Amino acid sequence: NAGVMQNPRHLVRRRGQEARLRCSPVKGHSHVYWYRQLPEEGLKFMVYLQKENIIDESGMPKERFSAEFPKEGPSILRIQQVVRGDSAAYFCASVQDISMGSPLHFGNGTRLTVT
Amino acid sequence: SQQGEEDPQALSIQEGENATMNCSYKTSINNLQWYRQNSGRGLVHLILIRSNEREKHSGRLRVTLDTSKKSSSLLITASRAADTASYFCATDEDDKIIFGKGTRLHILP
Repeated sequence: NAGVMQNPRHLVRRRGQEARLRCSPVKGHSHVYWYRQLPEEGLKFMVYLQKENIIDESGMPKERFSAEFPKEGPSILRIQQVVRGDSAAYFCASVQDISMGSPLHFGNGTRLTVT
Repeated sequence: SQQGEEDPQALSIQEGENATMNCSYKTSINNLQWYRQNSGRGLVHLILIRSNEREKHSGRLRVTLDTSKKSSSLLITASRAADTASYFCATDEDDKIIFGKGTRLHILP
């Protein structure tokens, strides 16, 4: 069984460009979380999605950032007009059923560098 | 929001010794999880303890939970070089799973 797949692993963007990060969850998982991690720090919650629904986006900046998890295809985290402060590792995790305390399955992240 | 806080931030011990990491959290929880992260990789789930449990074991891992003190500890016994990693606790807050800042564990040969 394939785990969570994130691509690209590394993404370099110039200031002002758009970054699109993709996450394919574990097959059968319909819940996806996105986190951001700076070097030597913990994971900061960004957004929690179910298929076709944003459940909680309280950790995501209201401007320039958006996320979706369509009925078909991967979840996408989109950052418009990137700035240097957006440079970080972005991790996606999927889970089968949050109400049962099921563990999160993480991808290996996308490392975004804004030059 | 930052729910869990691990202590210490960094820990270096000799191979074969036991490593203990602590986690404190702020609000009531349904369960608490511990994860491990190797450098440059995603997190891997280690163990989950529910709010009505006080202690749980899995191999060389032992987790305790004290809901009255809002704290948990992770004990790794007989540490190995391969245990070198960052360890995070995670708690549920409404629909969110919130992680602490982690403990960086380094096992010395």
